[in-house]
This record gives sequence, C-alpha cells and structure tokens, in this order.
Amino acid sequence: KAGVTQTPRYLIKTRGQQVTLSCSPISGHRSVSWYQQTPGQGLQFLFEYFSETQRNKGNFPGRFSGRQFSNSRSEMNVSTLELGDSALYLCASSSTQGAGTQYFGPGTRLTVL
Amino acid sequence: SQELEQSPQSLIVQEGKNLTINCTSSKTLYGLYWYKQKYGEGLIFLMMLQKGGEEKSHEKITAKLDEKKQQSSLHITASQPSHAGIYLCGADNGTGRRALTFGSGTRLQVQP
Repeated sequence: KAGVTQTPRYLIKTRGQQVTLSCSPISGHRSVSWYQQTPGQGLQFLFEYFSETQRNKGNFPGRFSGRQFSNSRSEMNVSTLELGDSALYLCASSSTQGAGTQYFGPGTRLTVL
Repeated sequence: SQELEQSPQSLIVQEGKNLTINCTSSKTLYGLYWYKQKYGEGLIFLMMLQKGGEEKSHEKITAKLDEKKQQSSLHITASQPSHAGIYLCGADNGTGRRALTFGSGTRLQVQP
C-alpha cells in the first residue's frame, strides 16, 4: 500500500496570506489527524477528522481549520498567517480497527516571511 | 493534560554501543507509541505498547512499558549509523480519538 502523501512538500508565504495543505491517507484509512511541529513547542496535535467530521481539536486558534472529503483526503487551512506559523505540518492516518496506530506523511514545511 | 518527558535530550554513542531512551508520563499510559524521525521529515512508526509489563522487539530495537504504565524505555543494541535520528514517544489519551501527545524527542547520533 502507498503511504500517506502530503502536498506541497515546501511552501513559502508572507504574513497575512492564507495557505491550504493537502493530505491523502493510506488506502482504507478513514481517520486523518494533523500535527504542527516547531523547534520551540515540539509536536502538537491540531485536529482529527473521521468520516468528514472533526471529532477532536487541539488548542490552536480558529485561524487553523480543516476538512475531510468523502474519499478521506483531508485539507488544512491557515488564514492570516503569522511568523509563528512557520513549522513542519504533519498529517497522519489510521484505521478505525485495532489500536489505531497513526502513520505519518513526510510533512509540509511552511515558511512565513 | 498529559505530559511526556523524554531523557536524555540528546545522545552521542560510538557505533556498536548499546543505549537506552526513557519516556515518563505524568498520567497512566493507555497506549505508548515510539517513532523515529529523520530531521525535517515524517515520523516512522517503530512500536506500540499497551499492556503493563509489555515488551516488543524489532531487529535491534526493544521497547518496554513498565507495570504501572507510566514509563517506557527504548533500547538499541549494537547501534549503527542507520539508527541516528530523533526518537519520539507519543501517548494515546485512551478515548479512542486519534490525538497523540508527544515527548520533546531524543536526538541520537551514532559515530562510526
């Protein structure tokens, strides 16, 4: 099976702009979670989507949003970008069966200038 | 909220040496995951532990979860340069929701 894919891999934006990142989960996985990784805060949970519904959300401002499509692909959007949003954004997919191990994609490196 | 503390923060070992990384939780662990990350890349799943006293091995890496389910250790035997990277432990909150809390990571360098 193909792994989790994320596009784009690298992105440069300026403050105030908005950005959309995409994630395609492993085939058959219906749960998609998003994480932000920064040197200062480490790896932090953003939100999780399952069957097109957000069922869990981390402690991030409303500028961070996401959605999931019927084919389980997910997008996350960050509006009004700030310098502090520069980070590696990781997507993970998991099956709803068993322990639900999360498998991560390669990430999207976002730089905000 | 749950917090995970990893130690050491960084480690430099000579090739062939054994090493141990620890992960201590502020709350009972329902599921403990170990991942490896190459700098700036995605996380590679290593192992998952759920039961107190559980131990799993894959190649030269062994992970254990203590009986009280508040601490886990990752042991690498006869380290190789390919083991270099950042090791992260992640905890499941036990609700069935896919939201992991991660430790700050242990950076491992293996010198040939």
